[in-house]
Amino acid sequence: GNSVTQMEGPVTLSEEAFLTINCTYTATGYPSLFWYVQYPGEGLQLLLKATKADDKGSNKGFEATYRKETTSFHLEKGSVQVSDSAVYFCALSRGETSGSRLTFGEGTQLTVNP
Amino acid sequence: GAGVSQSPRYKVAKRGQDVALRCDPISGHVSLFWYQQALGQGPEFLTYFQNEAQLDKSGLPSDRFFAERPEGSVSTLKIQRTQQEDSAVYLCASSPGVAGGLTDTQYFGPGTRLTVL
Repeated sequence: GNSVTQMEGPVTLSEEAFLTINCTYTATGYPSLFWYVQYPGEGLQLLLKATKADDKGSNKGFEATYRKETTSFHLEKGSVQVSDSAVYFCALSRGETSGSRLTFGEGTQLTVNP
Repeated sequence: GAGVSQSPRYKVAKRGQDVALRCDPISGHVSLFWYQQALGQGPEFLTYFQNEAQLDKSGLPSDRFFAERPEGSVSTLKIQRTQQEDSAVYLCASSPGVAGGLTDTQYFGPGTRLTVL
């Protein structure tokens, strides 16, 4: 079946540090890949997505590239801010006829200190 | 515009009670999903509706869980005879399309935190 494995957290960084959160997946066919973010006290929000191999999703300074050869979708940001502190979830969907149900990783808690 | 809303935001139930959780999707969205998120875990799929049709209920953990979307808009997730292991955040999400493509982005509600004592 489909699965997503995320880098274990929590991750603690200083402001302006470089961020990488690793994500690898297992799926048949060609899934779409997503990063969702959950800020404290808020619901899940889509951060970025990529729908085919070699696509790069980007938003708010975050980037992730769909690497089919390594089945990965690592999240990166060049300079994190305190406001980036949140839980980040990697997810995939197969776009099957029964709907694009999402399969999530376990989440990575990021704390950015001033 | 209005996003996905869920009510109640918090629910405390005694073991054995029935609960009903409501989801109001974004107007016009065809697809509606329910997920269960245990503490410290990622959300897990429960069930999927396309309009009023429940096309996939493979994620429902037991026959105590029941979901409906009778008019293709508002959905209710019902849990009968609640157990402690049902304690979790229940998330609802909607999307404009049905599968694949650019319309399959899911928009999540804030969730209902259910605590079963």
